[in-house]
Amino acid sequence: GAVVSQHPSRVICKSGTSVKIECRSLDFQATTMFWYRQFPKKSLMLMATSNEGSKATYEQGVEKDKFLINHASLTLSTLTVTSAHPEDSSFYICSASAGQTGGRNQPQHFGDGTRLSIL
Amino acid sequence: ILNVEQSPQSLHVQEGDSTNFTCSFPSSNFYALHWYRWETAKSPEALFVMTLNGDEKKKGRISATLNTKEGYSYLYIKGSQPEDSATYLCAPSMDSSYKLIFGSGTRLLVRP
Repeated sequence: GAVVSQHPSRVICKSGTSVKIECRSLDFQATTMFWYRQFPKKSLMLMATSNEGSKATYEQGVEKDKFLINHASLTLSTLTVTSAHPEDSSFYICSASAGQTGGRNQPQHFGDGTRLSIL
Repeated sequence: ILNVEQSPQSLHVQEGDSTNFTCSFPSSNFYALHWYRWETAKSPEALFVMTLNGDEKKKGRISATLNTKEGYSYLYIKGSQPEDSATYLCAPSMDSSYKLIFGSGTRLLVRP
């Protein structure tokens, strides 16, 4: 159980393109979804937290107009990188939690990630 | 900025060896500590979530301990197997936040 599907797994596109990444919880309802970014040889950095039906909470330094997050249902959150540039090239990965916000014992369930390359 | 440190960064062991890694984090405002295993080309898999000082958890040959007063957790693997090769990530959360702060991980390679 607790499967999270993330698509696409790989994107290569030209500078200026907007890219949408989907994160779906397949067998549970995800109250909260998280979006992370990982630079080479670095740890996972939380970008934003999204709760179904409300605006995402962005971490300090993450541009909300650049990284648009929509959490329209309990099973789907999307991250759109708007007008992507080479510096946005990175590995993006989502996770989902079934527990209520602040639940102490709830692990996060991760997608497989998306490698984004902007030419 | 919360500093989460994992050591060693990488570890090569022989099949059958037992091994352990360390995760250090600030002890103030501690809420919970997560361990994940991340195999290449797969998604991170949750291993343990621990909350109380002195917690010990076990899953097969893998176990973990937690010391919230001094701010560290150990992950042990008994009798390592090649399929244990992965990056092991720890991530504490602080206060009542659900947000996880990930360490850089320990990359384990188990040679047959």
